[in-house]
Amino acid sequence: DAKTTQPPSMDCAEGRAANLPCNHSTISGNEYVYWYRQIHSQGPQYIIHGLKNNETNEMASLIITEDRKSSTLILPHATLRDTAVYYCIVRAAGSGGSNYKLTFGKGTLLTVNP
Amino acid sequence: GAVVSQHPSWVICKSGTSVKIECRSLDFQATTMFWYRQFPKQSLMLMATSNEGSKATYEQGVEKDKFLINHASLTLSTLTVTSAHPEDSSFYICSGGPSSYNSPLHFGNGTRLTVT
Repeated sequence: DAKTTQPPSMDCAEGRAANLPCNHSTISGNEYVYWYRQIHSQGPQYIIHGLKNNETNEMASLIITEDRKSSTLILPHATLRDTAVYYCIVRAAGSGGSNYKLTFGKGTLLTVNP
Repeated sequence: GAVVSQHPSWVICKSGTSVKIECRSLDFQATTMFWYRQFPKQSLMLMATSNEGSKATYEQGVEKDKFLINHASLTLSTLTVTSAHPEDSSFYICSGGPSSYNSPLHFGNGTRLTVT
């Protein structure tokens, strides 16, 4: 799976949009971009994923550049409860087995300030 | 979304004893589940891939005789830490998901193991 690069930390004011960048310049054509977050002492929570089109759900939006070498996760109105480590992970599409695994990097610690 | 239930959420045991952690998929069938370990201030590290009805696949450096994995049904995988030592104290997390080509994995809430 392609490797990802994220800033180690970011700050955001409560109520403002949080834009978390991720570089994945070696991404392959069949690899999806997944975003998860981990609040302290909990298991990771799935946020969103996409292949090449922008995606939006009730939690966030995912913007993937046209060349797919980078993406941005957008939390439109950050709250204090969004303080967490956010992981950007690239994974190939597959029908299961060991290729289904997710490899975690160090992620970005997002701190939402009041 | 898919729900993964992990039990117990925390456990304290004495050195030399064994501890079993259960991971259940509540609303999907999981032919494959994954076990991760996380030390303080570090990221999640994959320990092993649990395969229903067959042997688990362990990552390099993970002792298969120490971390026993059983995946006897499509909804339950267990991790047993045998002869636990203080250095095994960690946060253990399981994950799984419907086996379709781009389904996300979902994670349990983790088990905090403390070995005294």
